[in-house]
Amino acid sequence: AQSVTQLGSHVSVSEGALVLLRCNYSSSVPPYLFWYVQYPNQGLQLLLKYTSAATLVKGINDFEAEFKKSETSFHLTKPSAHMSDAAEYFCAVTGIPTSGTYKYIFGTGTRLKVLA
Amino acid sequence: ETGVTQTPRHLVMGMTNKKSLKCEQHLGHNAMYWYKQSAKKPLELMFVYNFKEQTENNSVPSRFSPECPNSSHLFLHLHTLQPEDSALYLCASSLGMGGGTGELFFGEGSRLTVL
Repeated sequence: AQSVTQLGSHVSVSEGALVLLRCNYSSSVPPYLFWYVQYPNQGLQLLLKYTSAATLVKGINDFEAEFKKSETSFHLTKPSAHMSDAAEYFCAVTGIPTSGTYKYIFGTGTRLKVLA
Repeated sequence: ETGVTQTPRHLVMGMTNKKSLKCEQHLGHNAMYWYKQSAKKPLELMFVYNFKEQTENNSVPSRFSPECPNSSHLFLHLHTLQPEDSALYLCASSLGMGGGTGELFFGEGSRLTVL
């Protein structure tokens, strides 16, 4: 069965500092992995995705994530935090579609706070 | 209009009311989903539809009744809800098999409060 673990429900960083949000997954099939961001009172927006091409994936707003199969990890990073990055971040995994649709498993989310 | 649109954005209802949430997608996707997002809990998948057919019902109580008349529209009919059903209800769509890499496109959600 697939599962996703996000370490740290809350992370605080100073503006300009490195952002690191952790995600570990388990999957019995080759996974697709995603990071989504949710700003207050909004839905989730896709930040980036891994779909078995390059292991280092670049997304919007200078975020990137690296797929490490040996560590079953897909951590999200950004070199320099901006105040506008304050939001909740969700890691998700899905495998081969069943019944014509993808079954997503979401992590519990990490709320990022950026300190001035 | 593009993307996934949900209405209403906010809804307050009593436990004996009947109301509906609406979702519309303009992305040409074939799969549509309802998720429930409660405070301090993971996103909960409720229902999945593929080409108008329900492919997943994640043990959702019968007081939630989904309807998918076509691949672009999805409804969630609500009746005799409980206060613990208060949450943000998110609609999403995706391309299923045969296209895309399956990422979900979400609407902005309907914030439901049950009094």
